[in-house]
Amino acid sequence: QVQLQESGPGLVKPSGTLSLTCAVSGGSISSNNWWSWVRQPPGTGLEWIGEIHHSGSTNYNPSLKSRVTMSVDKSKNQFSLKVSSVTAADTAVYYCARKMATTPYYFDYWGQGTLVTVSS
Amino acid sequence: DIQMTQSPSSLSASVGDRVTITCRASQSISTYLHWYQQKPGKAPKLLIYAASSLQSGVPSRFSGSGSGTDFTLTISSLQPEDFATYYCQQGYSTPGFGGGTKVEIK
Repeated sequence: QVQLQESGPGLVKPSGTLSLTCAVSGGSISSNNWWSWVRQPPGTGLEWIGEIHHSGSTNYNPSLKSRVTMSVDKSKNQFSLKVSSVTAADTAVYYCARKMATTPYYFDYWGQGTLVTVSS
Repeated sequence: DIQMTQSPSSLSASVGDRVTITCRASQSISTYLHWYQQKPGKAPKLLIYAASSLQSGVPSRFSGSGSGTDFTLTISSLQPEDFATYYCQQGYSTPGFGGGTKVEIK
């Protein structure tokens, strides 16, 4: 059973950089999947941020692309997210998730989520 | 971008009711449509993938149908544990989610 666990600071200052890590257990990050980040602002819906393959290939949401960087650490079986120049609008619960790399591309495993608040 | 529109945004129903939620895509997505259930404070849970395939472990009262642009999620007999928010997601292009449908107790 694959498990994902997010970790990182729960509070980030405006204009700073949000950094989160997702540890994968019960499976290899080098499997043929896309490792994704999805966020959910308080009381609203789900927004896909982007994804990374163990090969290093990435896809980002165009609306966030200029501020997002993802990386993978195969030695630690984990992947990471950085969002720069954050504002209050980036306050959200951040989920990591696994997306199938073959059609029809759904998210089958999710982390429990971690709340990140952007505030001074 | 493909836009996903869910309706209704919320509904009230009683235990035992048949509930139908609709998801419409702004262009054809074949059957690359998936449904998730989210309870407060929890991560989304995959219910249905590829429009009509039931994820392992999901009760058979959940079913999905549709192709192209119009899709439905049906709960045949609503149970107390089904009160939650439901999201559709298209996997045809860069992932996008519908706005959600909150199912509340009547």
